[in-house]
Amino acid sequence: EAGVVQSPRYKIIEKKQPVAFWCNPISGHNTLYWYLQNLGQGPELLIRYENEEAVDDSQLPKDRFSAERLKGVDSTLKIQPAELGDSAVYLCASSLRYGNPEQFFGPGTRLTVL
Amino acid sequence: QKEVEQNSGPLSVPEGAIASLNCTYSDRGSQSFFWYRQYSGKSPELIMSIYSNGDKEDGRFTAQLNKASQYVSLLIRDSQPSDSATYLCAVTGSARQLTFGSGTQLTVLP
Repeated sequence: EAGVVQSPRYKIIEKKQPVAFWCNPISGHNTLYWYLQNLGQGPELLIRYENEEAVDDSQLPKDRFSAERLKGVDSTLKIQPAELGDSAVYLCASSLRYGNPEQFFGPGTRLTVL
Repeated sequence: QKEVEQNSGPLSVPEGAIASLNCTYSDRGSQSFFWYRQYSGKSPELIMSIYSNGDKEDGRFTAQLNKASQYVSLLIRDSQPSDSATYLCAVTGSARQLTFGSGTQLTVLP
């Protein structure tokens, strides 16, 4: 069974540029999460989807971040415009359904903003 | 106070020893408790989950949970150099959101 797939794995951009990350969860997993992980810290939730509905986006900086999961499968996270402080690893995770707490992570996208 | 606290380490143990990793949490309504292993430059990998008080063993790993003390630990027996990684404690609170600690960096010395 394939795991969570993310792309790109690495991205280097200049500040004020836009950037997008893509995630395909484990097949059959209804719940999808986007996390941000800074160096030396644990992952921090940005947004959670149940199928195509964003049910927890309280930690998403909505002035510059947006996300979508149009068909309830893969998802895209976008930053526009990027700031220096956005440099981090962006992790996608999925779980079978909300209420099943075991989450499985993708390899992440390491973003560097210059 | 952080919701999930771990000793940041680094923790060094000799090969073959027992490594003990500790975690405390603040939300008394927490239901589910997890340990993730994260190798440098890699994503977190779920290695243990525990839901009720007591011990849960899986191979060389034992998770221990004490809800009254709001404490969860991970013991790694017969530690191997391949166990060298950062170990993240994660807790599902009363809002059912998974919250991570900052991780404990473990080094197993050959």
